[in-house]
Amino acid sequence: EADIYQTPRYLVIGTGKKITLECSQTMGHDKMYWYQQDPGMELHLIHYSYGVNSTEKGDLSSESTVSRIRTEHFPLTLESARPSHTSQYLCASSESAGNIQYFGAGTRLSVL
Amino acid sequence: GNSVTQMEGPVTLSEEAFLTINCTYTATGYPSLFWYVQYPGEGLQLLLKATKADDKGSNKGFEATYRKETTSFHLEKGSVQVSDSAVYFCALSARIFNKFYFGSGTKLNVKP
Repeated sequence: EADIYQTPRYLVIGTGKKITLECSQTMGHDKMYWYQQDPGMELHLIHYSYGVNSTEKGDLSSESTVSRIRTEHFPLTLESARPSHTSQYLCASSESAGNIQYFGAGTRLSVL
Repeated sequence: GNSVTQMEGPVTLSEEAFLTINCTYTATGYPSLFWYVQYPGEGLQLLLKATKADDKGSNKGFEATYRKETTSFHLEKGSVQVSDSAVYFCALSARIFNKFYFGSGTKLNVKP
């Protein structure tokens, strides 16, 4: 069983607000990922990290930013939320040498 | 490049029917292949995996065989249950950088 946690599970906010989605894992994994999942179910990689102080943009352009100052923590921030940011956001992690990705339960974000 | 194509859904079956969800891939090198399952309101869970040609992954009655000659990794189950209703994702992992490529997902509905 993977130990990767996302908070909050659900968030409804107004346009223009700054938000941070939290993701933590207790497995000591070096690699962490953020995916955006649209209503059609498809997953899009928006950010990833190979380790502390390493962050890269993914395949889908996103206005969000991420940071990795601790191995276990990989938060995602939106400085000014817009309705187009409404989506489900999934966090995942994997061992550096392995290749299974373990997923959190997700945060469903609605921006009004 | 790397990509995964899986059959479009939804797939609707009666309980105890046979299930096949097709998945084909293109990849450089020798990827690992995975099936993930997503239940409503949750993140993705690893269902099974195969790391080399002719490997068969299996779990909870589901099976898939890594076919290099047909670049396929079809998911099968002999007798589905209502509790199998979920979205199923085929994925491959490129060995370099541990990057995942997901299919677009196939929704399975099993009726009693």
